[in-house]
Amino acid sequence: SQTIHQWPATLVQPVGSPLSLECTVEGTSNPNLYWYRQAAGRGLQLLFYSVGIGQISSEVPQNLSASRPQDRQFILSSKKLLLSDSGFYLCAWSLGQGPYEQYFGPGTRLTVT
Amino acid sequence: AQSVTQLDSHVSVSEGTPVLLRCNYSSSYSPSLFWYVQHPNKGLQLLLKYTSAATLVKGINGFEAEFKKSETSFHLTKPSAHMSDAAEYFCVVSDPPGGSQGNLIFGKGTKLSVKP
Repeated sequence: SQTIHQWPATLVQPVGSPLSLECTVEGTSNPNLYWYRQAAGRGLQLLFYSVGIGQISSEVPQNLSASRPQDRQFILSSKKLLLSDSGFYLCAWSLGQGPYEQYFGPGTRLTVT
Repeated sequence: AQSVTQLDSHVSVSEGTPVLLRCNYSSSYSPSLFWYVQHPNKGLQLLLKYTSAATLVKGINGFEAEFKKSETSFHLTKPSAHMSDAAEYFCVVSDPPGGSQGNLIFGKGTKLSVKP
């Protein structure tokens, strides 16, 4: 069966520091991968998605970036965090054909101080 | 364009009473629809999905939803609420099936409280 991992589970970082969040999927090949952010009172916001290695699409312009160095690994990064980057970051995967339900990881709680 | 509207931001029920979480969608084609549940500080879990087969869809934990095309609704129900059902619920529609990325469009969520 498929599983999805995210780490770290929680992170407290100062403003201006770098960020690296990692997501890995097991038990499937060539998944679509997604990064979402959930900020208080703002619902779920899609940040990036990837349909294959090295293929990243950005949904929202910001100081975050994503990379997919391996088929089942998705990394969210920032060179300099802002206070507004605080939130709950969720990684998800889906198969490349419909109906496109996505399966979510446990999330990373990021607090920028 | 596809969209989803969850009609209640907060629903409160007593344990053992029925649950109804309302969702309306807008789509120019036959959509795929989903309900997800999120407990505090956890990821989202898929409760059930509709994919143009049976209009009454049964999910996990006793939840079910009925797709009504004439009303463009996909309401989530459960006959008897448990304390463990207290969580936030998201109604979701998928992007057109012709796209390869399978992006989902999320409702704003309904927070369900269950009173003892």
